[in-house]
Amino acid sequence: GEDVEQSLFLSVREGDSSVINCTYTDSSSTYLYWYKQEPGAGLQLLTYIFSNMDMKQDQRLTVLLNKKDKHLSLRIADTQTGDSAIYFCAESRNNFNKFYFGSGTKLNVKP
Amino acid sequence: GAGVSQSPSNKVTEKGKDVELRCDPISGHTALYWYRQSLGQGLEFLIYFQGNSAPDKSGLPSDRFSAERTGGSVSTLTIQRTQQEDSAVYLCASSADSVLSYEQYFGPGTRLTVT
Repeated sequence: GEDVEQSLFLSVREGDSSVINCTYTDSSSTYLYWYKQEPGAGLQLLTYIFSNMDMKQDQRLTVLLNKKDKHLSLRIADTQTGDSAIYFCAESRNNFNKFYFGSGTKLNVKP
Repeated sequence: GAGVSQSPSNKVTEKGKDVELRCDPISGHTALYWYRQSLGQGLEFLIYFQGNSAPDKSGLPSDRFSAERTGGSVSTLTIQRTQQEDSAVYLCASSADSVLSYEQYFGPGTRLTVT
């Protein structure tokens, strides 16, 4: 959606780190999320971060939040071919009844 | 069931016909969402149900679109007089009714093709 923007494509080599970036516009965002969508499948929640946090690490995934710049990133360490998918950034606000999604970044991992 | 299920998985229909898409949320989840994902686009919010409250229909693109949720569980999205621009993947998601439960669980989607 227009509230959340992402670059469309990212290509990396297997074993490298991937960094997927997202910007959002609403300062009242409460939670920010990263979802993964594999071909023909629904979205799967990868990780999330509360808006009062700067960083969250979960195994190979690191989320960085710059609230001042309204910038969110997802770093995938040691990227594998199985990480090839579309990654969506999303945000929710205080009422949680609407989630605003970006257009998705297609990650291509080359062997 | 273990997850959100949707049926049919694929639907091809002729322009002008009505279609119904079904979503079975996770048992016990009181919040249910419908989204539309057009080719190469992000998710477009359509409608949100929460318990017995009036649904938030603010995302429905036209009055040809409607949705119901019977008994607080299964939901049906109906598109009347389908148009070619309705072709998309329609995704359903559910979440538990708690201010701490912000995680949506998505179904695999229904791919609608209007010819």
